Order: sequence, then C-alpha cells, then structure tokens
Amino acid sequence: KAGVTQTPRYLIKTRGQQVTLSCSPISGHRSVSWYQQTPGQGLQFLFEYFSETQRNKGNFPGRFSGRQFSNSRSEMNVSTLELGDSALYLCASTETPLALEDNEQFFGPGTRLTVL
Amino acid sequence: AQTVTQSQPEMSVQEAETVTLSCTYDTSESDYYLFWYKQPPSRQMILVIRQEAYKQQNATENRFSVNFQKAAKSFSLKISDSQLGDAAMYFCAYKEGGTSYGKLTFGQGTILTVHP
Repeated sequence: KAGVTQTPRYLIKTRGQQVTLSCSPISGHRSVSWYQQTPGQGLQFLFEYFSETQRNKGNFPGRFSGRQFSNSRSEMNVSTLELGDSALYLCASTETPLALEDNEQFFGPGTRLTVL
Repeated sequence: AQTVTQSQPEMSVQEAETVTLSCTYDTSESDYYLFWYKQPPSRQMILVIRQEAYKQQNATENRFSVNFQKAAKSFSLKISDSQLGDAAMYFCAYKEGGTSYGKLTFGQGTILTVHP
C-alpha cells in the first residue's frame, strides 16, 4: 500500500495570505489527524477527522480549519497567515478513529510552510 | 491536561552500544497508551514501540525496549546494539484511553546521534 502522502511538500507564503494543505491517507484509512511541528512548541495536535466529521480539535485559533472528503482525503486551511505559522505540518492516518485502543497512526512526510 | 517531558534534548551513542532515552509524563488517568516515535532527518515519522498502561510487562521490539514505571510516570526507551540508522529525533507520546476522542500529546523530542 502507498503511504500517507502530503502535498505540497514545501510552500512559501507571505503574511496575510491563506494556504491549503492536502493529505491523502493510506488506502482504507478513514481517520486523518493533523499536527503542527515547530522548534519552539514541538508537535501539537490540530484536529482529527473521521468519516468527514471533525472528532477532536486542539488549542489553535479559528484561522486553522480543516475538512475531510468522502474518499477520506483531508485538507487543512490556514487563513490570514502569521509569521508564527511557519512550521512543518504533519498528517497522520489510522484505520479507525484515533480514540480506539488498538490502532496505529501512520505519518506523512509533512508540508514545510514558510511565512515571510 | 496531560504533559509529556523529555529532559534530554540531545543524546549520543557509539555504534553497537546501548543508549537510554528518558520520558516522563503527567496524567491523572489510569487508562492510557504510551509511544515512542522516530523521525529521521527529512523522513517520515514512524512508530518504534507502544505500551498499554494496563500491561505490567515492558514492551520489546527487537533492539528496542521500554522501561515503564507507572507509579513514577516514567517511560524510557532503550536502544541496544545501536546502528547508524538509529540516528533520528525520538518523540515520546501519550494517548488517553477510554474516551470518545483521541489525540497524541508529544514530548519535545530527543535528537540521537550515533557515532561510527
């Protein structure tokens, strides 16, 4: 099976712009989670989607949003970009909702977002 | 809120030797899961080992083993017979069990360098 794929891999934006990142989970996986990774804050949970529904959300402002499509592919959007949004955004997929005990998250390579 | 602490920002080890990475966590829950993830430079994060809190036996995966001390809330990773390919950032992570939602809470990470 192909692994989790994320596009684009690298992105440069300027402050005030918006950006959309895409994640395709492993075939058959219906749960997609997003994480932000920065040197200062480390890895922080953004949100999880399962069957097109947001199941859980981390402590991020409303500028961060996401959605999931019927084929389980997910997108996350960041509006009104700030310098502090520069980060590696990781997507991870599981077969079942992350809350279930016996599952394993598989991570994608990430999208490196730079905000100038 | 649960927190995960990795007190060693960097560690180094000689090839073929053993190294232990430390992790402590804070939770009031009794049902949870602990993980060690490996993130090689510019490569995808992968699961190294997992431990269910209700299991007293320490998890082992080939050269990787954990020392799980539930009362002390400590979860260290031991890498035996270290190989050059073990060089990576290692993250300790926590997931609460028995809930309707799920997310991983990560530590700040430990960079492991393996010297030939």
